[in-house]
Amino acid sequence: DAGVIQSPRHEVTEMGQEVTLRCKPISGHNSLFWYRQTMMRGLELLIYFNNNVPIDDSGMPEDRFSAKMPNASFSTLKIQPSEPRDSAVYFCASRGLAAGVGELFFGEGSRLTVL
Amino acid sequence: GDSVTQMEGPVTLSEEAFLTINCTYTATGYPSLFWYVQYPGEGLQLLLKATKADDKGSNKGFEATYRKETTSFHLEKGSVQVSDSAVYFCALSPAAGNKLTFGGGTRVLVKP
Repeated sequence: DAGVIQSPRHEVTEMGQEVTLRCKPISGHNSLFWYRQTMMRGLELLIYFNNNVPIDDSGMPEDRFSAKMPNASFSTLKIQPSEPRDSAVYFCASRGLAAGVGELFFGEGSRLTVL
Repeated sequence: GDSVTQMEGPVTLSEEAFLTINCTYTATGYPSLFWYVQYPGEGLQLLLKATKADDKGSNKGFEATYRKETTSFHLEKGSVQVSDSAVYFCALSPAAGNKLTFGGGTRVLVKP
């Protein structure tokens, strides 16, 4: 079975540009999470969805960040405009309905560099 | 709020050495506890878990015991291999709720 698929794996952009990160969760999973990983702050939960509905976006840093989940098999995280401090690895993770709260499956991440 | 504290790395040791990574937590009620592992260039993978006090999680030679009295969940392996080189994350999920809180991660480097 395919795991969580993220794209792009690497993105280099200039300050002010729009960035869109994409995630395909594992088929049948009903919860999706977006995390950001930096050396300074470690792993931070940005937002999570249950059944395509955003449940908690309190971790989204500011209005420049937005996330959508139009259907059960696709989610996007958008940064507009991007800033150098947004440089990080962004992970998407999904969880099945029958799984425990902490049993997440992570994608390989999208490494974003904003110049 | 909930928090997880791990020993800072990097931890460098030789193959076949004993590994311990300390993890303590702060949470209300009875959280579930987890260890995740992140190999270079990859996402995190669930390594083991424990859902109640005195439970022992184990996988791939790693073990951790949920100690409620010391609010700890230390990770151990008796004989590490080079392939165990990775970053290890301790995490908790609350008794009620949907979020997973991670520690800062501990980088482990095993030399041949």
